[in-house]
Amino acid sequence: GAVVSQHPSWVICKSGTSVKIECRSLDFQATTMFWYRQFPKQSLMLMATSNEGSKATYEQGVEKDKFLINHASLTLSTLTVTSAHPEDSSFYICSALQGVPFSSYNEQFFGPGTRLTVL
Amino acid sequence: AQSVTQPDIHITVSEGASLELRCNYSYGATPYLFWYVQSPGQGLQLLLKYFSGDTLVQGIKGFEAEFKRSQSSFNLRKPSVHWSDAAEYFCAVGAGGGYQKVTFGTGTKLQVIP
Repeated sequence: GAVVSQHPSWVICKSGTSVKIECRSLDFQATTMFWYRQFPKQSLMLMATSNEGSKATYEQGVEKDKFLINHASLTLSTLTVTSAHPEDSSFYICSALQGVPFSSYNEQFFGPGTRLTVL
Repeated sequence: AQSVTQPDIHITVSEGASLELRCNYSYGATPYLFWYVQSPGQGLQLLLKYFSGDTLVQGIKGFEAEFKRSQSSFNLRKPSVHWSDAAEYFCAVGAGGGYQKVTFGTGTKLQVIP
């Protein structure tokens, strides 16, 4: 299957600082990428849908000014957690959609995740 | 809105034994259903998916799942579990055309004992 990478795999930062997480599709182009958040022993919660060349679509309850998403190219989407606080500590996972959106002829490939700890 | 319930948080099976992980979904139309496996340090991997057609779906690593509309279920099965199957398993339902809006269950952690 296709490969999606995330960088960094883990990051520790001080409260009030911003952190950028990169998501790359290594061997395919993805017009659509997704960002999820996973709390311990809980499910993945979709945060936003990232579309290349346009604004991200955020899920209800997700602060778009806090979680900035940029999908500048067909292989790269970034999530920036601005002014991070301890409650933002979580496991962030991205995925990239390969194939035709809004059809059954596609598949979502996931990155390995980024563990964010805010002190 | 769609939802997924995985009633078993943690399951322990002996190596070589059969396995069934339960999944119930809620969705108004024909669902797109998925099973993913998550191993530590690795991204979620798709085991199998159901979009339409045959209700018994074969996946990778010897897994299969059966879609039962009358029971709103999509249970995952494997006839003989291997120690390497120990991981977290997520059932998911998609709407809006395949993967556009996927909702995940809370996961079932599988432990395999020798």
